Amino acid sequence: NAGVTQTPKFQVLKTGQSMTLQCAQDMNHEYMSWYRQDPGMGLRLIHYSVGAGITDQGEVPNGYNVSRSTTEDFPLRLLSAAPSQTSVYFCASSYVPGSYEKLFFGSGTQLSVL
Amino acid sequence: AQTVTQSQPEMSVQEAETVTLSCTYDTSENNYYLFWYKQPPSRQMILVIRQEAYKQQNATENRFSVNFQKAAKSFSLKISDSQLGDTAMYFCAFTGRNNDMRFGAGTRLTVKP
Repeated sequence: NAGVTQTPKFQVLKTGQSMTLQCAQDMNHEYMSWYRQDPGMGLRLIHYSVGAGITDQGEVPNGYNVSRSTTEDFPLRLLSAAPSQTSVYFCASSYVPGSYEKLFFGSGTQLSVL
Repeated sequence: AQTVTQSQPEMSVQEAETVTLSCTYDTSENNYYLFWYKQPPSRQMILVIRQEAYKQQNATENRFSVNFQKAAKSFSLKISDSQLGDTAMYFCAFTGRNNDMRFGAGTRLTVKP
């Protein structure tokens, strides 16, 4: 019973490097999303998807790209990492967006950009 | 865009007592959903309670209940008989027509023995 799986759990990058945070769910959820969590700012939505082939921007999309080629996977790409992207990143999914359904969260990725 | 405001960055309560966490939100929608999530030090996100806006009756889950005031756009969480395990960050969240879920900045709750 895997749920939402995020990899890696920890990552250190140098400024300007690129990387992809992986997110996979095995619950056949239509909705998937990425959040970043910073002290005093709660969880802020980066990008989300309501189904394969469909993505949209959240509150803080700049510096991040996403794609949704399959229902299961929703990777988050940092094209050129900046220190301001140091944060904890959460992937989350649910059956139906904009509904009573709760979000299932991954365990988070602690990212440090030096 | 919808916004969610939690005006209490930190709160504390004595074990076995009752505490209320505040949340307000801004929206022009009539149908939407509100949630409270708990994040203990393990960083795991746990759903505490949820409310559908079209239901007037306040949701309850064991020791957790909400006071939902639709006209005032207020959604407070009451924790009764507080336990040490309730120590955590608590986030209020909103979702509606836009299909995304927005969170407040959180309230750090400490339960003291």
